[in-house]
Amino acid sequence: QSALTQPASVSGSPGQSITISCTGTSSDVGGYSFVSWYQQHPGKGPKLIIYDVSNRPSGVSTRFSGSKSGSTASLTISALQPEDEADYYCSSYTASDTQVFGGGTKVTVL
Amino acid sequence: QVQLVQSGAEVKKPGSSVRVSCKTARGTFSSYPIAWVRQAPGQGLEWIGRIIPTFGTTTFAQRFQGRVTLTADESTVYMDLSTLRSDDTALYFCALGRYGSGNYGFDPWGQGTLVSVSS
Repeated sequence: QSALTQPASVSGSPGQSITISCTGTSSDVGGYSFVSWYQQHPGKGPKLIIYDVSNRPSGVSTRFSGSKSGSTASLTISALQPEDEADYYCSSYTASDTQVFGGGTKVTVL
Repeated sequence: QVQLVQSGAEVKKPGSSVRVSCKTARGTFSSYPIAWVRQAPGQGLEWIGRIIPTFGTTTFAQRFQGRVTLTADESTVYMDLSTLRSDDTALYFCALGRYGSGNYGFDPWGQGTLVSVSS
């Protein structure tokens, strides 16, 4: 199972919106609505911010939103804030009953 | 609220095996799955496998099949990784699949266990 494809880095200024893409295949992202997104700050463990493509766990800011079109999922961070600077990973369920992560995207707040 | 507490760091020789545990604190696994994920130094997340403790059912990423075993008792899940190589050096996490219609959204995560493999 190959890793999902994410851009290595995305940057934006405070207050701007950014979008991170996550591209897979019909055997993972395109075939199921089980895409999750995780935020990881340096030296910390991952934190779930989106599950089932577009749902937020309780307590996660509404500035985070998710969507999917075909085999590409997207995470949008609106009104970018300094604390959003972190690594972001997408994950999808697969046809093999396993899960696969993307390579990760480093978000920089300029 | 469920918390996951993992065992401490391990230093192993190539070819040996390691066991990492993941224990619930303030809660139970219920019927939720526990996933194991690793992160090599400076690298991304890699999915290893999953166990549903209540039933003992397991699923593994193909590259780990035959080398990893997941087991569970009432409050602890164990990951055994055999035939260790230097590229198994990583921070190993367990995580609870509490979110989503298929329980594929994982949170909380354990604090991570560093496994170092070196001769």
